[in-house]
Amino acid sequence: DAGVIQSPRHEVTEMGQEVTLRCKPISGHNSLFWYRQTMMRGLELLIYFNNNVPIDDSGMPEDRFSAKMPNASFSTLKIQPSEPRDSAVYFCASSTGNEAFFGQGTRLTVV
Amino acid sequence: GESVGLHLPTLSVQEGDNSIINCAYSNSASDYFIWYKQESGKGPQFIIDIRSNMDKRQGQRVTVLLNKTVKHLSLQIAATQPGDSAVYFCAEKKGNNRLAFGKGNQVVVIP
Repeated sequence: DAGVIQSPRHEVTEMGQEVTLRCKPISGHNSLFWYRQTMMRGLELLIYFNNNVPIDDSGMPEDRFSAKMPNASFSTLKIQPSEPRDSAVYFCASSTGNEAFFGQGTRLTVV
Repeated sequence: GESVGLHLPTLSVQEGDNSIINCAYSNSASDYFIWYKQESGKGPQFIIDIRSNMDKRQGQRVTVLLNKTVKHLSLQIAATQPGDSAVYFCAEKKGNNRLAFGKGNQVVVIP
């Protein structure tokens, strides 16, 4: 297995634009997590899915953020409209219930 | 490098020496703990885990110690190598399969 695959690796966008981050979890993993990493706040859990169903989205900062998991092999995290303070590295991780395996992350810069 | 804290606690260790990284966790009900390693430009990688019914677990060159009385976790790296330079995170598993991460510790190996 290639591991958790995220795209794009880097994204630079202008304030106000819509941004969509993509994730392909490891096949067979039934839990998927979206994390955000910044210098100030470290690794924060935004939302997680179990069997494609959102279980806990209490970490989603505001309504500008949304996440979907239409099937077991794909998830998106969307920010609209994006703001400079959304600049961070966004990680997707998947799990079968114990340790989570992380993707390489998407480095988002909003200018 | 990626967005990890500029003000992380930093451990500088001579190559070949042993390293000890410490972590305090918050929830006495947490039953599963993991240490992750994050190198620059990469996502966190699983190193070793331990369940709350254990005090110690050993892997290859790494040992995790768990003290539930004081809610303390430590990671010991034997014979530290330049490739061990990274940020190390402890994570505790909370309810609903969530992993909550600590702020991280930077390890710098001096050749």
